[in-house]
Amino acid sequence: KAGVTQTPRYLIKTRGQQVTLSCSPISGHRSVSWYQQTPGQGLQFLFEYFSETQRNKGNFPGRFSGRQFSNSRSEMNVSTLELGDSALYLCASSLSSGQLVLAKNIQYFGAGTRLSVL
Amino acid sequence: EDKVVQSPLSLVVHEGDTVTLNCSYEVTNFRSLLWYKQEKKAPTFLFMLTSSGIEKKSGRLSSILDKKELFSILNITATQTGDSAVYLCAVGTSGTYKYIFGTGTRLKVLA
Repeated sequence: KAGVTQTPRYLIKTRGQQVTLSCSPISGHRSVSWYQQTPGQGLQFLFEYFSETQRNKGNFPGRFSGRQFSNSRSEMNVSTLELGDSALYLCASSLSSGQLVLAKNIQYFGAGTRLSVL
Repeated sequence: EDKVVQSPLSLVVHEGDTVTLNCSYEVTNFRSLLWYKQEKKAPTFLFMLTSSGIEKKSGRLSSILDKKELFSILNITATQTGDSAVYLCAVGTSGTYKYIFGTGTRLKVLA
């Protein structure tokens, strides 16, 4: 079974540009979460999608947005890039989220997209 | 505000040593605690803990949860250089559909 796939692996952008990152979850997984990882802050939650609906959003500005498609693939978009957006963006998928069967909530991560903003 | 704190921040040991990593949490409506190992990019799942006092074990790694004192420990015995990584702790809460991560413990095992 293929794991979580994130594309692209690396991106270099300049301030003011926008970027779209893609995440294909493990087959059968319907929940996709996005995290930003920086050396000082660790993993910060961005948002979570389930069946094309965003169910939770972290404390990030509106420049960060996302969506999920009917096949559970997800994209996140960052507009008007700032230097501080340079980070590793990780996507994680799980069978579900918030279910009583807690093992279904285990998140499996992709390798991430390393974004550098110059 | 929900919070997960890991200690120590970093640790250097020699092969064969035993290490104990700590994760304490203050959250509303605790549901589960997960441990991950991150070597280069993708964190890989190690354990899920939901009940106090029940040890989870996988080879040289083991973990236990104390819901009364609000912490978990991850033990690694007979460490090897391949154990060098960042170990992440994450706590899930009811009704929020998200995990709160600690900043991790960076472990370096010297040959």
